[in-house]
Amino acid sequence: DQQVKQNSPSLSVQEGRISILNCDYTNSMFDYFLWYKKYPAEGPTFLISISSIKDKNEDGRFTVFLNKSAKHLSLHIVPSQPGDSAVYFCAARSGTYKYIFGTGTRLKVLA
Amino acid sequence: SAVISQKPSRDICQRGTSLTIQCQVDSQVTMMFWYRQQPGQSLTLIATANQGSEATYESGFVIDKFPISRPNLTFSTLTVSNMSPEDSSIYLCSARDGKNEQFFGPGTRLTVL
Repeated sequence: DQQVKQNSPSLSVQEGRISILNCDYTNSMFDYFLWYKKYPAEGPTFLISISSIKDKNEDGRFTVFLNKSAKHLSLHIVPSQPGDSAVYFCAARSGTYKYIFGTGTRLKVLA
Repeated sequence: SAVISQKPSRDICQRGTSLTIQCQVDSQVTMMFWYRQQPGQSLTLIATANQGSEATYESGFVIDKFPISRPNLTFSTLTVSNMSPEDSSIYLCSARDGKNEQFFGPGTRLTVL
């Protein structure tokens, strides 16, 4: 049973436009959410996070939105750059230590 | 942030053999984890490596198949035992420094023939 879902396996966006990556979860007990970016042949790198007590967190070009009632979070990248092309994973914290990851969305930013 | 290195970065192994993957963190961390990422799949937690005691395994993973050591706060090993082609995957070491952020190593790409 996949508790964290990323239903779009891939997304293509023009450079300079907004990229919106979506993530849905099923467990209302999740209290912390993260986004990771992964380039080929590298490990995932932390991008941005949000606590369940907030509905928005912003860091430069990256903003994460959390809608607890819908059990949905999204990552907005604006403006998108070719260097943003990577696989993006959302993750949710279960209990005190375990992070559960989605299947990833491959973002391609077209120059 | 913690910097994590893994050895080997990749390997091709024959079925029935075992491979030990090493993970080194550049600072002491409270928690270390081992994940597996099969092609097109999510990052799946194999186990939490506990310092000085037996690892805590997730459902579907057992110690006989994936023995783990963590002798100190900066180092851990994962062994993939009696390998089969189904074990072909990327194995990732991860660490958390007590805050919420979790860091990953570059991964070990394993191919079993």
